[in-house]
Amino acid sequence: AQKVTQAQTEISVVEKEDVTLDCVYETRDTTYYLFWYKQPPSGELVFLIRRNSFDEQNEISGRYSWNFQKSTSSFNFTITASQVVDSAVYFCALSEGNTPLVFGKGTRLSVIA
Amino acid sequence: SQTIHQWPATLVQPVGSPLSLECTVEGTSNPNLYWYRQAAGRGLQLLFYSVGIGQISSEVPQNLSASRPQDRQFILSSKKLLLSDSGFYLCAWSTGTSGSTGELFFGEGSRLTVL
Repeated sequence: AQKVTQAQTEISVVEKEDVTLDCVYETRDTTYYLFWYKQPPSGELVFLIRRNSFDEQNEISGRYSWNFQKSTSSFNFTITASQVVDSAVYFCALSEGNTPLVFGKGTRLSVIA
Repeated sequence: SQTIHQWPATLVQPVGSPLSLECTVEGTSNPNLYWYRQAAGRGLQLLFYSVGIGQISSEVPQNLSASRPQDRQFILSSKKLLLSDSGFYLCAWSTGTSGSTGELFFGEGSRLTVL
C-alpha cells in the first residue's frame, strides 16, 4: 500500500536561512508520481511540483529545489534563503497513476522575520 | 482553462443538523472528483472519490455521504452532523484519462464548525 511520511511536524527558521522538508514514501509500483503542495494560511492547496518515478533528476525553481532519491525512497524539498511568505503547511503526496493521491501529514513551516 | 469552486466557504452548524457542501468544475469533461477532509493539526484524509456520474468510492466509513448528480458536480452531505465532523473540507479534481499522473487541483475549501 502507498504511504507518505513527513516526520517533521513543525519547523521554525529565521528569515534567510535555508530549510529542508523531508518526505519518505512507500510503494510497490515501479511507476508512480510524487508531489509537493503548499497550503498557505488561506487554506487552498497550491501545486508546487510533480516528479515521476523514472526521472531522478533534481529540480530547481528559483529558491525552491527538490532532491528525489529512489535508493532511499525520499523526495525532499529545500527552500533557500527563506522568506516570511514561505510560511505555510507543506504536503508531500504520492500517486500510482490513476489512484487517488495519498498525502503525508504535512510540515508546518514558520519563517520568522 | 479549468476552474473549481466549492461553497459555502464557511459554515457553523449545530450537532444533529444536516450538511450539504457543493463543488463544481468548469472547463473539463469526465474529471475524477474527490472530497478530502483536514482536521485541525492533521493531514489530508481522502473521504470519497468518483470516476463518473453516480460512481462513488468511500474511503472511510463515517457519518458522511457523497453524490455526483452531474459530470462536473460533486456534493458532500450528512443527515446529522457530529462534533467530529468539524474540519476543513477540500474538493479536488484530476483528469480522468488513462495515463493520468493523479495530479490534483483543489478548490478553495470549506471550513465547517459543528457546535
